[in-house]
Amino acid sequence: NAGVTQTPKFQVLKTGQSMTLQCAQDMNHNSMYWYRQDPGMGLRLIYYSASEGTTDKGEVPNGYNVSRLNKREFSLRLESAAPSQTSVYFCASRGDRGRDQPQHFGDGTRLSIL
Amino acid sequence: SQQGEEDPQALSIQEGENATMNCSYKTSINNLQWYRQNSGRGLVHLILIRSNEREKHSGRLRVTLDTSKKSSSLLITASRAADTASYFCATDAGSNEKLTFGTGTRLTIIP
Repeated sequence: NAGVTQTPKFQVLKTGQSMTLQCAQDMNHNSMYWYRQDPGMGLRLIYYSASEGTTDKGEVPNGYNVSRLNKREFSLRLESAAPSQTSVYFCASRGDRGRDQPQHFGDGTRLSIL
Repeated sequence: SQQGEEDPQALSIQEGENATMNCSYKTSINNLQWYRQNSGRGLVHLILIRSNEREKHSGRLRVTLDTSKKSSSLLITASRAADTASYFCATDAGSNEKLTFGTGTRLTIIP
């Protein structure tokens, strides 16, 4: 039972470089989410996708783009990385069996922008 | 902006003692959830309480919800070293089932 898988686990980038964070879930969930976690600030929602083919902005979308490639995969792209994007990024998915379903999280990607 | 604020920010107790952490939020909610995060790992769902519920139990966990005060508490009884982690509350307040997370309580259990 893999659940939510994120790759890579660690990455160091230089300012201005681009990269894509990958996320895949094997639970047949419709909803997927990208968060960033910074010290003392909890998790903040970057983008989410309620179903394949749809994406919506969260609380902190600036500087990011997302792609819901299919039902399993939801990627996050940094087009031109900035030091302010140094963070730990978490992907999550959620089941659809009525309301009150929990979110399931991957183990994160630790990203440093120099 | 953060919907939930947690108190205390950090808590250290002896193994076997009970740990209580609190969460306050700002708007009406559909439900409130508690998650645990071990160091270097993702969040794991612990328990969910609906807005029309006042108390819920799961094993050594007890959650209360006071919608009039917009607050919740998580009680962990008979703590164990393995309970050392950060604990986050999260509120579901809208129609699109997004969660808004609090800033977390870092719990340390001293053996």
